[in-house]
Amino acid sequence: DTGVSQDPRHKITKRGQNVTFRCDPISEHNRLYWYRQTLGQGPEFLTYFQNEAQLEKSRLLSDRFSAERPKGSFSTLEIQRTEQGDSAMYLCASSLSIYNSPLHFGNGTRLTVT
Amino acid sequence: AQTVTQSQPEMSVQEAETVTLSCTYDTSESDYYLFWYKQPPSRQMILVIRQEAYKQQNATENRFSVNFQKAAKSFSLKISDSQLGDAAMYFCAYRRRSGNQFYFGTGTSLTVIP
Repeated sequence: DTGVSQDPRHKITKRGQNVTFRCDPISEHNRLYWYRQTLGQGPEFLTYFQNEAQLEKSRLLSDRFSAERPKGSFSTLEIQRTEQGDSAMYLCASSLSIYNSPLHFGNGTRLTVT
Repeated sequence: AQTVTQSQPEMSVQEAETVTLSCTYDTSESDYYLFWYKQPPSRQMILVIRQEAYKQQNATENRFSVNFQKAAKSFSLKISDSQLGDAAMYFCAYRRRSGNQFYFGTGTSLTVIP
């Protein structure tokens, strides 16, 4: 169990640029989640995959955000035309498909939009 | 929508003493799961303890225990014999049995005083 890994750890970009983050979940976990966390707040749900299928998206996820999980393995989260309000920590988590299975989080990607 | 409330933005405790962190939640569901997560500074979020709503017995994990009051929709975390390594943000989380989303509170920042 190598844990959930996220890349990069930090990303600084200029407003209007596109960014892409990667998440590698725990290998036997078929559920993968993306959360956003701003300073002083708890994680906010963005989207969720069961294997390769994106089953749920939050209303927080505007059209500029897109997530994929090809082949049900790693996932990418892309933000197009970044805005300063996108600055946050983006957390990836994975879990088993068992009702009481907890989330296992990665270290997150901290995005700063200048 | 489900909401999770942590009314204590900050708490402090003397090393070796006991502290209790509060959490309340709002739900109309009868079957759900509750979690406490710990997020040390600049480190990943990790699971501390979890509770199934159908279980009357309070969960315990070493120095960590919960006081689950289902009727009151309260789920507090008790940390006994506090250690310096317990200093972190603590998040309470809720997930209904039939749902996929985890809902998080805004967190409590715990300081341990040597």
